[in-house]
Amino acid sequence: DTAVSQTPKYLVTQMGNDKSIKCEQNLGHDTMYWYKQDSKKFLKIMFSYNNKELIINETVPNRFSPKSPDKAHLNLHINSLELGDSAVYFCASSQEQQAGADTQYFGPGTRLTVL
Amino acid sequence: GNSVTQMEGPVTLSEEAFLTINCTYTATGYPSLFWYVQYPGEGLQLLLKATKADDKGSNKGFEATYRKETTSFHLEKGSVQVSDSAVYFCALKRAGNNRKLIWGLGTSLAVNP
Repeated sequence: DTAVSQTPKYLVTQMGNDKSIKCEQNLGHDTMYWYKQDSKKFLKIMFSYNNKELIINETVPNRFSPKSPDKAHLNLHINSLELGDSAVYFCASSQEQQAGADTQYFGPGTRLTVL
Repeated sequence: GNSVTQMEGPVTLSEEAFLTINCTYTATGYPSLFWYVQYPGEGLQLLLKATKADDKGSNKGFEATYRKETTSFHLEKGSVQVSDSAVYFCALKRAGNNRKLIWGLGTSLAVNP
């Protein structure tokens, strides 16, 4: 059973299009995240939801809009795609621990290529 | 502010060599410290972690010790294998209920047979 799954795995699209990436976790975690990883492997947090409430909202263009319909799902919609949006997008989830060392579990990633 | 600094890669080693990847941090209070590994074409996964000073995290032959006096959490392995080729990320989480991880830039490791 896949713990954190993302669809699609690959997404190739033209500049200016709108696209969505979906994420689901079956771990019962209370928090989900979206990350962007560029070609140099630099990892940047974009958003995080805790029990469907937005708790992290980094400096990201407002063309990016997350939606969490329930605690097990976090989707990412991107409007008016630009060349610079090409990257691998990772979804992750975690459950708060008392010691503060909650582990994040990552999905396999969605490779977005904007032409 | 809070930050993580990792040694730059790529690191290239022969099989059975000793590995050290340096990680130092800046943080207030007592953060939790993590090493994550990303194998080619995959998402990141936790390798090991430590939550307080002098704690040692270990997994799959890798070890790292939380050193408060030097603000370091260096990753070591005594004998690397080709299958250890991956990108390694050091990260910290501030004390308290902040859920955000502060990530290092990642260090790419290539192990040759």
